Amino acid sequence: TQLLEQSPQFLSIQEGENLTVYCNSSSVFSSLQWYRQEPGEGPVLLVTVVTGGEVKKLKRLTFQFGDARKDSSLHITAAQPGDTGLYLCAGAQAAGNKLTFGGGTRVLVKP
Amino acid sequence: EADIYQTPRYLVIGTGKKITLECSQTMGHDKMYWYQQDPGMELHLIHYSYGVNSTEKGDLSSESTVSRIRTEHFPLTLESARPSHTSQYLCASSPRWTETQYFGPGTRLLVL
Repeated sequence: TQLLEQSPQFLSIQEGENLTVYCNSSSVFSSLQWYRQEPGEGPVLLVTVVTGGEVKKLKRLTFQFGDARKDSSLHITAAQPGDTGLYLCAGAQAAGNKLTFGGGTRVLVKP
Repeated sequence: EADIYQTPRYLVIGTGKKITLECSQTMGHDKMYWYQQDPGMELHLIHYSYGVNSTEKGDLSSESTVSRIRTEHFPLTLESARPSHTSQYLCASSPRWTETQYFGPGTRLLVL
């Protein structure tokens, strides 16, 4: 059983549609991060959330950290083909600790 | 843009060969990590280091070994490669005061 569960595992949508990816756990995290990974490359950090209830926006991407710091969501508005990739959430259970990664959500945005 | 490098990017090798995957970072980060990842799948932590002469095994059992003689360098060695070692290997580094990890481009290994 993974410490961080991501859902869905795979999402295929048309350009212009919205999508939401979820990251859930029964454990509390001091911080949670979202990464995007493109084929053949390493993951790249999108955002870090540290405060329960925190919402961060990055252009068309909106990230939310749950009030209890056990879950997070990533919402993409008007998805574009360039949003295609593997989205990974990762949590640290204490400041400076190593990260635990979720299983990832593969997003495919078709033109 | 993170300054972390991995070589080689691709490697095809026969069973039984010894290989070393290189990882270097120029950011002076104390913490470094090795992950194993099958294409499009989750990352599995196999080794990490919090500083020079410090190495720990990760969550996934691995037959590989690592060393950390210099801050900037964290090579991973397989003494005898097997087809089950075929995968992508990602190296990452992180400053002491944060959990944010900066990843290299990865090495895709194919063992025949």
